[in-house]
Amino acid sequence: EPEVTQTPSHQVTQMGQEVILRCVPISNHLYFYWYRQILGQKVEFLVSFYNNEISEKSEIFDDQFSVERPDGSNFTLKIRSTKLEDSAMYFCATAGGGSTIYFGEGSWLTVV
Amino acid sequence: AQSVTQLDSQVPVFEEAPVELRCNYSSSVSVYLFWYVQYPNQGLQLLLKYLSGSTLVKGINGFEAEFNKSQTSFHLRKPSVHISDTAEYFCAVILLTGGGNKLTFGTGTQLKVEL
Repeated sequence: EPEVTQTPSHQVTQMGQEVILRCVPISNHLYFYWYRQILGQKVEFLVSFYNNEISEKSEIFDDQFSVERPDGSNFTLKIRSTKLEDSAMYFCATAGGGSTIYFGEGSWLTVV
Repeated sequence: AQSVTQLDSQVPVFEEAPVELRCNYSSSVSVYLFWYVQYPNQGLQLLLKYLSGSTLVKGINGFEAEFNKSQTSFHLRKPSVHISDTAEYFCAVILLTGGGNKLTFGTGTQLKVEL
C-alpha cells in the first residue's frame, strides 16, 4: 500500500528556533494537509494545500507557520520561531482527489 | 458549524467481548464519515468510511460502522475484540461543501482490551 513518509520522526528544538518538517506524499496525489495532535488531545487541522497554494487554514496556522513544495515532491511545514506550545505530533496527509486521506506516521516535535 | 462528538473518552472491554464506540456529528450539509485508529506511538490508519449507499460499512480488522442519518450517528462496532485492538479510535467527518476535503476529528476514544 502506498505510504506518506515524514521526516524527522522526532525532533527536539529550543524555543525560538526554526523547524522544518518534511513529508513525501503519495505519488500522483494532489491535495496536501498538515494536522497537529498535542499530547492527549484530538487531531487538529492546520492547513490544506492544492495547486501550489494554501486552500484553507485554521486559526492555529498563524504567521509563524508556512508550507511549501520546494521541489515538486516534498511538502514541508516550517515553524519560524517555535514556542513551547508548539510541542505536538505533526501529521502530514495527502489525497488524490477522492475522499480518502492518507496520513503519515507523524513527526514528534518537542520544544524545550 | 460542524462538530464531531465521541461520547466516551475511554472504553474498557474484555477480550472476545463485543464493543461499540459512539460517534455523533452535527452538520448543516451532507458529510462523509470516517473512523481512524491510532496504535501507540504510530500514525493514523483508516479503518472504514461512509460515503454513500449502504449505511452499514465494513472495514479492516473486523470493524464495522452504521450511518444513521436521523440520529446523526456513526457508531463503530466489533463483535469480538482482541488484545491487539487496544488503541485510540477517532471519528472524523468531511463537509461536502465543494471545497477541499478537510477532516474534522472527534476527541477520540481509548479502547483498552483486557484479558
